[in-house]
This record gives sequence, structure tokens and C-alpha cells, in this order.
Amino acid sequence: SQTIHQWPATLVQPVGSPLSLECTVEGTSNPNLYWYRQAAGRGLQLLFYSVGIGQISSEVPQNLSASRPQDRQFILSSKKLLLSDSGFYLCAWSVGGANTGELFFGEGSRLTVL
Amino acid sequence: SQQGEEDPQALSIQEGENATMNCSYKTSINNLQWYRQNSGRGLVHLILIRSNEREKHSGRLRVTLDTSKKSSSLLITASRAADTASYFCATVSGGSNYKLTFGKGTLLTVNP
Repeated sequence: SQTIHQWPATLVQPVGSPLSLECTVEGTSNPNLYWYRQAAGRGLQLLFYSVGIGQISSEVPQNLSASRPQDRQFILSSKKLLLSDSGFYLCAWSVGGANTGELFFGEGSRLTVL
Repeated sequence: SQQGEEDPQALSIQEGENATMNCSYKTSINNLQWYRQNSGRGLVHLILIRSNEREKHSGRLRVTLDTSKKSSSLLITASRAADTASYFCATVSGGSNYKLTFGKGTLLTVNP
């Protein structure tokens, strides 16, 4: 069966520090991968998605970047965190596009920037 | 921008009662999906209804879709305390096959 792992689960970082959140998927090949952010009391905002190794689509210009160095690995990074980067970050995968099927989410990484 | 908007924002009911949540969207869709999120956890897919379907069932869940009104509803029958969670509708919009857009969700509290 397929599983998705995210880490770290919780992170507290000072403003201006770097960030790296990692997501890996097991049990499937060539998944579509997604990073979402959820601010308190709000819906999910799609940040990045990837349909293959090295292929990254950015949905919102911001202080973050994403990379897909391996087929089942998706990394969210920042060189210098801002207070506004605080939030709950969710990684997800799908077999086809979202217009054909469901997304499977990880358990999330809660980031607090102080 | 948000495609789906859930209504109400919060709903509190007693165990055994039915819970109905509504979702409205703005542009044409291929499918509409409902997800559940327990506090502090990831989202779990509940049900997907395609644009050519009007109703779909899964266990105690019933989803309807009215494309003429651009709206959907999620009915949870015989609710349980364990159903307490936030429920989100999501649609694909903007001509993208990958941009699944979520609403702000309905927080459902089922009191024992």
C-alpha cells in the first residue's frame, strides 16, 4: 500500500533562518506531488506541484521554493523565513491529475516563525 | 482565490442527528471532492463526485451535486462524536489539471 511521510512534524524557527521540509511517498511510482499551506482558520493554498523529477510549478510567488530530486521525494525550502511563512504545511500525492482523482495527504508539518 | 465556499462555517449537533454542509463554487468543474480534517492532522479524502453525477453515497455519507446552481452538499447521517472534524470541498479550476482549490471548510462538532 502507498504511504506518505512528512518531517519534521513541528518546527520553530527564527525569522531569517533557512527552512527545509521533506516529503516522501512509498508504494507508487511517478506520483504527482503537491505542497499546500494552511493558515489558521483558512482553507488550503496550493504552493507548488510537480508532475515529475525536476518539474516544479509554482502557484503563488513567495519566499519559498520546491524541489523534486527523486521520483518520490518533494522538498519545500526557504533561504530566509518571514513571519508570514508560519502555518501548517501539507504534502500530498495523486496518481493522475486532481481533475481525475483524489489527493492523498501527509500528516503535515507545523511551522512557527518567531 | 477560492473556488469552493462551504456553508455554514461551523455546525454543532448532537450525536445521532444528521449534519448537512453545503459548498458553492464559481466556475465549471470536472469533479468536486470532499475531504475531512481532524484537528492538527492531514486531510482525508471522503468522496469524489463527477460533473455528470447528481448523487453519490458512501456509508453514512451522501453527496449531491447541482451543476446548474454550482453547488454541492454533504450529508452525514446518524452522526457520531468521532465525526467531529473540519470538512472541505475542493474543485479543479482555471483550466489546470492539478490545481485543486479548497474552501475554508465547515467545522463540525458532534456532541455526545
